[in-house]
Amino acid sequence: AQSVTQLDSHVSVSEGTPVLLRCNYSSSYSPSLFWYVQHPNKGLQLLLKYTSAATLVKGINGFEAEFKKSETSFHLTKPSAHMSDAAEYFCVPIQGAQKLVFGQGTRLTINP
Amino acid sequence: DAGVIQSPRHEVTEMGQEVTLRCKPISGHNSLFWYRQTMMRGLELLIYFNNNVPIDDSGMPEDRFSAKMPNASFSTLKIQPSEPRDSAVYFCASSWSRRGGEQYFGPGTRLTVT
Repeated sequence: AQSVTQLDSHVSVSEGTPVLLRCNYSSSYSPSLFWYVQHPNKGLQLLLKYTSAATLVKGINGFEAEFKKSETSFHLTKPSAHMSDAAEYFCVPIQGAQKLVFGQGTRLTINP
Repeated sequence: DAGVIQSPRHEVTEMGQEVTLRCKPISGHNSLFWYRQTMMRGLELLIYFNNNVPIDDSGMPEDRFSAKMPNASFSTLKIQPSEPRDSAVYFCASSWSRRGGEQYFGPGTRLTVT
């Protein structure tokens, strides 16, 4: 079964600096992977998805993620953090055909 | 596009009462998912439907929980009787059922059982 590890439970950056949220996956084959974001007291929003079509995936709000098979990683990045990026971020694999497997996520804090 | 619609947004009820949560999926989607989110357990999948048929209900906590999808545009999650430990945020999500299909989430229903 596919699983992921989000290496940081909490990341804190200053506004205007780069964001890096780390996700490693464990699978014997190329997985389908998603990044979701959850702002405080809100539902979950899809940021981007990887389905093996392209290794560099661009998402909404300036986020992107690169699938690196050699490193079994799918890290989420953004060149310049904005205050509105403060939220919980989830790296999510597919289990079977449709089940998303959510872990504990990474909480991103933006300092002014 | 209206997105996934959930009602009510907030529900406060007393222990022992019946609670019904409602969800309208995105038009054209044929898969629907119910999740529960708590601080202790994170986000858990309770049950999901394909073409109105329950496919996997292994996440339903116990017999007090039941879910139905009478048609493609409506689903309910019922808790009877409710208990304080059922307090959580309940999310509904929908997708087009193909392998790797992304899910779109509703705003959630915050349930408090006193």
